[in-house]
Amino acid sequence: EDQVTQSPEALRLQEGESSSLNCSYTVSGLRGLFWYRQDPGKGPEFLFTLYSAGEEKEKERLKATLTKKESFLHITAPKPEDSATYLCAALRNTPLVFGKGTRLSVIA
Amino acid sequence: SQTIHQWPATLVQPVGSPLSLECTVEGTSNPNLYWYRQAAGRGLQLLFYSVGIGQISSEVPQNLSASRPQDRQFILSSKKLLLSDSGFYLCAWSVPSGGLRGYTFGSGTRLTVV
Repeated sequence: EDQVTQSPEALRLQEGESSSLNCSYTVSGLRGLFWYRQDPGKGPEFLFTLYSAGEEKEKERLKATLTKKESFLHITAPKPEDSATYLCAALRNTPLVFGKGTRLSVIA
Repeated sequence: SQTIHQWPATLVQPVGSPLSLECTVEGTSNPNLYWYRQAAGRGLQLLFYSVGIGQISSEVPQNLSASRPQDRQFILSSKKLLLSDSGFYLCAWSVPSGGLRGYTFGSGTRLTVV
């Protein structure tokens, strides 16, 4: 059974304190690994798709990387506005399999 | 550009009452459509998905049902709501190839069953 596990469940950072979020997956024949950001009371917002091991993508303070077993979302010098829940999801066949998310709080 | 509309934004319903949530997509044809539920503090639970009109796959049947009467319309229904049906319901769409470009989510419906 395809599974996606995210850690930690919650992360509290001081503004400027860089860190990484982990997404481990057990999906044979992975076609894509996705990262989303979700603000409270809103739908998830697409951030990145990674297709193959070794691939990296960046957007502002965020960088996503992919290995054969896991993906990392690196947050460099975070700001309070980066506070949100970050979700990862894996695609083999429709539909996506989502992890439970990491709730990130960045304190000024 | 493509947009997804989901309504209502919030809903408070008594136990045993019916439910109808609607989702429509604009600016694309033959999308894959999805209904998810997110309980407080928990991840996204896939309820139903559809790859075409009248084609519904059920992941968690329970007392919910889904229908796709038109290409870009997806409806989530229940004949009798339970307390456990409370949650945040999200509709999403993807391209027909299955979502390699990601899913686009609606703004969600907060359902409280009392």
